[in-house]
Amino acid sequence: SQQGEEDPQALSIQEGENATMNCSYKTSINNLQWYRQNSGRGLVHLILIRSNEREKHSGRLRVTLDTSKKSSSLLITASRAADTASYFCATDPLAQKLVFGQGTRLTINP
Amino acid sequence: GAGVSQSPSNKVTEKGKDVELRCDPISGHTALYWYRQSLGQGLEFLIYFQGNSAPDKSGLPSDRFSAERTGGSVSTLTIQRTQQEDSAVYLCASSPIIAGETQYFGPGTRLLVL
Repeated sequence: SQQGEEDPQALSIQEGENATMNCSYKTSINNLQWYRQNSGRGLVHLILIRSNEREKHSGRLRVTLDTSKKSSSLLITASRAADTASYFCATDPLAQKLVFGQGTRLTINP
Repeated sequence: GAGVSQSPSNKVTEKGKDVELRCDPISGHTALYWYRQSLGQGLEFLIYFQGNSAPDKSGLPSDRFSAERTGGSVSTLTIQRTQQEDSAVYLCASSPIIAGETQYFGPGTRLLVL
């Protein structure tokens, strides 16, 4: 399986609710990143969390990292229609290049 | 400042033809990456350039795929004798000095091989 795997593969919620996506990985990392992709085009970097950090916030985003479980979660609070996108986690297992997961497709229903 | 740019935005070609995809990274970024993304799938790593080091070509799916980076800036991904399974979005990204840090993506080139 992949170095980074997101769960769930797809998530559909009502506007205003919180959305939680998870990412698991296999090997030691220096950092873990989350990206968003709209309409199958370029990815946009959301947040980077280093291996010595446990939690990080950016606006409505909250990312946690548990290196003992090799897992991370991305929480989007008070979701909006504009948050509809695919979300990918990426890790740097060899500190040379990022490895991306398959993504979570998030749909926010008005 | 300018972000990563890619051209063309869309490319339709016939099976067996060669195609060239171009990427202009952010000025000053030493690392450049190419990825391929099939419809509804994740990113498949293709090739990685870091400064003047030999590129990491470990992700290229066949010898029909090659890439160059001239002068440490612009990169061209070439696909020879295109096949229908090459149809995908090809994404380029660049990052500053250190690999594994934040990557900045271009808008991608959507390739359709008929």
